[in-house]
Amino acid sequence: QITLKESGPTLVKPTQTLTLTCTFSGFSLSTREVGVGWIRQPPGKALEWLALIYWNDDKRYSPSLKSRLTITKDTSKNQVVLTMTNMDPVDTATYYCAHNPETEYFDSWGQGTLVTVSS
Amino acid sequence: SYDLTQPPSVSVSPGQTASITCSGDKLGDKYVSWYQQKPGQSPVMVIYQDAKRPSGIPERLSGSNSGNTATLTISGTQAMDEAEYYCQAWDDRVVFGGGTKLTVL
Repeated sequence: QITLKESGPTLVKPTQTLTLTCTFSGFSLSTREVGVGWIRQPPGKALEWLALIYWNDDKRYSPSLKSRLTITKDTSKNQVVLTMTNMDPVDTATYYCAHNPETEYFDSWGQGTLVTVSS
Repeated sequence: SYDLTQPPSVSVSPGQTASITCSGDKLGDKYVSWYQQKPGQSPVMVIYQDAKRPSGIPERLSGSNSGNTATLTISGTQAMDEAEYYCQAWDDRVVFGGGTKLTVL
């Protein structure tokens, strides 16, 4: 059974850097073709993909946010970390991490963590 | 950039068939997945690789993809199917549609 759980601050101030951790079980990020992605959802709005990291450390980013995002993995800890710099109130959203068994889709999602950006 | 377009809302009567579309340039050349999201819950994948159903997803949910349009079809719609539905494809990056609110009247 695959599980993922997001953790990090619930409140950040504008201009600060957000660091979120996805801790997972039930799969290994050293398995060929496997990846973990981050997706966010502002309140009442649509899903927005942020970043994806693969088993071989290949990384992909949303073009519109690429300059602000960094995704890394710690295979031994079963964790993926996303950092987003220069946070703004418009970045207020629920942030999800999800398992990516093949490039095209996400078959298991975490419960999400709501991050509010406010001074 | 690659965009996926969904109707904001679709309404259906219980027991009838609901169709939710997702449009994109040459979408039929890409794999499409669909996610169901109920209020306060995380998205759940209901269709992947255009038409495959994960275990536990009812057979009344089906998918197709051809030309510029992918379609999620829900046959014999039930009250429990009321949710937001998102399509998603890969175009050298992950792309989500804007979501469709399915209302079962």
